[in-house]
Formats: sequence, structure tokens, C-alpha cells
Amino acid sequence: EVQLLESGGGLIQPGGSLRLSCAASGFTFSNYALSWVRQAPGKGLEWVAAIRSSGGNTYYADSVKGRFTISRDNSKNTLSLQMNSLRAEDTAVYYCVKSSSGWYLFDYWGQGALVTVSS
Amino acid sequence: DIQMTQSPSSLSASVGDSVTITCRASQSISSYLNWYQQKPGKAPKLLIYAASSLQSGVPSKFSGSGSGTDFTLTISSLQPEDFATYYCQQSYSTPPTFGQGTKLEIK
Repeated sequence: EVQLLESGGGLIQPGGSLRLSCAASGFTFSNYALSWVRQAPGKGLEWVAAIRSSGGNTYYADSVKGRFTISRDNSKNTLSLQMNSLRAEDTAVYYCVKSSSGWYLFDYWGQGALVTVSS
Repeated sequence: DIQMTQSPSSLSASVGDSVTITCRASQSISSYLNWYQQKPGKAPKLLIYAASSLQSGVPSKFSGSGSGTDFTLTISSLQPEDFATYYCQQSYSTPPTFGQGTKLEIK
């Protein structure tokens, strides 16, 4: 059974940093691309960042480019999102998402981690 | 970026009804269109991929069609567990983008 378990969410002041982690199991981690997708309270879904299976290529939404960094450790089956210079508009539930054979076909989602940016 | 527009934004229906949700892309995305279901407090769940392919384990009451810029999701014989929010998403290009969602409510 595929499982994606996010951790690291919480309350952070504007301008602060936070690191989200996602522990994966139930599939061959190193074979699949992964993404982070977020959802602001009461709003729709917004893709944040993606990383290829090897970790060699990363992609970001314009809204987070230069502030967020996606990375993965294929030896530990772990995906991470380093978030710097956080803003109030980054407040959201962040989902760790596995891609299927298609690059942006999201077949499994974690339960989400809430990040609240507020003073 | 490719903009995805769903209609309607909300929809009321009764148990046993069939409903259709429409998704339009701002440019052609071939068949790179996926549908997700999200229930309150839960993560989205993949229902349909490549416009019309049913994800494993998803009941056949869900069906998708379309190509190019216009797509539909049809849900037949609505049951209480089908009342949720539905999102379309294009996987044609970076960044992948979602529709704003269609909230399906019980009448």
C-alpha cells in the first residue's frame, strides 16, 4: 500500500523558514517523480514544485521560485520542501504527491501538513 | 500558463441523479486532462486520467470524455458518498494547473 506521510508543518512568522518532510513507503521511491501541491484554507489546489525520480531536475511555481527548494533522498525514501521567506499567502495545507507514469499525473496524495504564516 | 475553467462552480443534485461537470482549457492540451475528487478534510483522489481512463479501483459510475480544450466528467446514479468537490487538472505542460473546483451538494 502506497503511503505518504508529511511532517514539519506549524505556525511560523512572516519572513521565517520551515522545512516539510514526506516519508514514503509501499512503492519503489526512486522510480517516480514527486510534487508538492498546496491548498489555502477554503481555496482550490495549487501545484508548488516537482522533482524528477533521480532528483536531477526540479521545477517550481512562479509564486515560490527563489524561496522554496524541493529535494529528495532516494536512500531514505524521503521528499523535502525547504520554505524560506515565508509570506501570509503561503498559508495552506501542503500535500506530498506521487506521480504515476505521467510526469504530472498525481496518483497518490499524503494527508497534508498545515503551514500557517502569521505574526 | 494554461488556465483551466470549470463549470458550474457549484451544483445541487439528488441521490440517484446523474450530473456532468465541464472543464475548459485555455489552449489545447490533447488528452492530458485528469479529474480528482476531494472530500472535506481529506486529500484529493484521482478518478480519471488521460481524459477518459478510469483509475484503478474507481467505480464505473464515473466517466470522462473530451480532447483538445473541452472536457466533461459525468457521474451517474449519485450516492451520498459522491457529494464532494471535483477538480480538473492539466498535465500537458509546466506548471500543471487545476480548475477552481466544482462543489457537488445534496439537494
